[in-house]
Amino acid sequence: AQSVTQPDIHITVSEGASLELRCNYSYGATPYLFWYVQSPGQGLQLLLKYFSGDTLVQGIKGFEAEFKRSQSSFNLRKPSVHWSDAAEYFCAVARYNNNDMRFGAGTRLTVKP
Amino acid sequence: DVKVTQSSRYLVKRTGEKVFLECVQDMDHENMFWYRQDPGLGLRLIYFSYDVKMKEKGDIPEGYSVSREKKERFSLILESASTNQTSMYLCASSLRQIEAFFGQGTRLTVV
Repeated sequence: AQSVTQPDIHITVSEGASLELRCNYSYGATPYLFWYVQSPGQGLQLLLKYFSGDTLVQGIKGFEAEFKRSQSSFNLRKPSVHWSDAAEYFCAVARYNNNDMRFGAGTRLTVKP
Repeated sequence: DVKVTQSSRYLVKRTGEKVFLECVQDMDHENMFWYRQDPGLGLRLIYFSYDVKMKEKGDIPEGYSVSREKKERFSLILESASTNQTSMYLCASSLRQIEAFFGQGTRLTVV
């Protein structure tokens, strides 16, 4: 089965600083890749997704992610973090022509004033 | 907007009880999922369903069963609740793999 690794459990950045959250996946073919965000007490909201084509994808709230096949990675970035970005972020992978989706363990983001 | 509704935000049940968690989606999605979320473990797939009366085991199906009698409704059943099933349960639906939409979650405590 496919799997997802998010190496960083917790990251702290200062407001206005840049952010990169790492995601590596294990899957034999081209996956569908997603980043979700979860604010405290809430469900998950989709930030962005990659299916094919341009490897740099833009999402909501100023986030972007880059698919690197050679590194099996799909890292999430934001050039300038806002205090409201404090949340937990999940990377997910789904298989082509299949119906299941697997998530990483999540990275909790803390934003310092 | 797509809406995925879980019947309860918080539940407290006793060990050995049979527990039903209900999930309803309003967008005619084919796929529905039940995940369990625990700190440090992320979301783990319990079961998913790709059609009415169809179900597939996920990574941690033991102690759980599911029912999908209608396309819009997907129920998770804990046959005999145990304390190690205390967790946050998230339901989701999707149209193929395009995007999964999540409910608000049910925080279940088994005492």
